[in-house]
Amino acid sequence: DTGVSQNPRHKITKRGQNVTFRCDPISEHNRLYWYRQTLGQGPEFLTYFQNEAQLEKSRLLSDRFSAERPKGSFSTLEIQRTEQGDSAMYLCASSLGQGTQPQHFGDGTRLSIL
Amino acid sequence: AQTVTQSQPEMSVQEAETVTLSCTYDTSENNYYLFWYKQPPSRQMILVIRQEAYKQQNATENRFSVNFQKAAKSFSLKISDSQLGDTAMYFCAFMKHDQGAQKLVFGQGTRLTINP
Repeated sequence: DTGVSQNPRHKITKRGQNVTFRCDPISEHNRLYWYRQTLGQGPEFLTYFQNEAQLEKSRLLSDRFSAERPKGSFSTLEIQRTEQGDSAMYLCASSLGQGTQPQHFGDGTRLSIL
Repeated sequence: AQTVTQSQPEMSVQEAETVTLSCTYDTSENNYYLFWYKQPPSRQMILVIRQEAYKQQNATENRFSVNFQKAAKSFSLKISDSQLGDTAMYFCAFMKHDQGAQKLVFGQGTRLTINP
């Protein structure tokens, strides 16, 4: 069990650029979550996958955001035309699909928009 | 919609003391789960303890215990014999008992500092 892995750890980009983050969940976990955490706040839910199906999206996930989990393993989160307000820590978590299993979090990707 | 409130932005205690972090929540659900997560500086969030709402007995994990008051919608975390490694942000979180997303709703966090 190598834990949830997120890449990159930090991303600095100019406003208007596109960015993509990757999350590799714990191998046997079929559920995958993305959260966003701004400075001094708790994480906020963005979206959820069960296997390759994206089953729920938050209102926070504007049309500039897209998430995929093409083979039910790793996931990507893309932000197009980044804005200053997108600056945050993006956290990925995974869990087993039986019952209510605890979510295991990655280290996050910190996005800074210049 | 569920909300979680942590009214203590920061707390600080001496090593070996006991500290209690407060959390209240608002929900119309009857079946749900409550969690405390710890986020050390620049490190990943880890689960400290969890409580099923249908269980009356308060959960305990070594030095960590909770005081779950369902009627008052209160879920406090007690850390006994605090250690320097307990220094972290602590988040209270709520999850509906749901076959669906099982997304976590977090509070704003409490920054806990354990002083030597």
